[in-house]
Amino acid sequence: GEKVEQHESTLSVREGDSAVINCTYTDTASSYFPWYKQEAGKSLHFVIDIRSNVDRKQSQRLTVLLDKKAKRFSLHITATQPEDSAIYFCAASMNYNQGKLIFGQGTKLSIKP
Amino acid sequence: NAGVIQTPRHKVTGKGQEATLWCEPISGHSAVFWYRQTIVQGLEFLTYFRNQAPIDDSGMPKERFSAQMPNQSHSTLKIQSTQPQDSAVYLCASSLVDQDTQYFGPGTRLLVL
Repeated sequence: GEKVEQHESTLSVREGDSAVINCTYTDTASSYFPWYKQEAGKSLHFVIDIRSNVDRKQSQRLTVLLDKKAKRFSLHITATQPEDSAIYFCAASMNYNQGKLIFGQGTKLSIKP
Repeated sequence: NAGVIQTPRHKVTGKGQEATLWCEPISGHSAVFWYRQTIVQGLEFLTYFRNQAPIDDSGMPKERFSAQMPNQSHSTLKIQSTQPQDSAVYLCASSLVDQDTQYFGPGTRLLVL
């Protein structure tokens, strides 16, 4: 079955710098790739997603890049702020319209003042 | 919009007892997903309903776990004869028909003693 690997278990960046979190997946049939943010003691909050028909998507300070050939996708956060500190999960799904999400193990992002 | 509602938020059971977890999806959402989150295993898919019909239960442990969606406004996850290894945060998510984005509830933290 599909496996999603998140390469960085922890990441620490200085406030105002950029952060990049990388994920890889195994199944070429995967077509939908969302990212979720989980703050301490809270549930998952959707932040951004990308579908396999595009290779880049931007929303304000967040950009997702998708490299289908390498089966890799990444979340880029620019001008980081203290409130960006959280655990970020990447996920993959094989269905365009609904379907189970296979999650990576999470990356704990810390923003240092 | 109240978001996905899950009750109870916390549940403590003794080994061998039954636990029933409730989920109320966002009004108008036709798909309901159940996931489980533990430190060791991370986020795991359990089961998924669309328009109340079970679509994929590939993540459900074959014994002791069952899920239902008797109407469009709630789903239940039942665990019979709970075991300590069932201790986890159980997350429910919902999405609109023909939409990929899943919105997660706050979770039910189950502790089996």
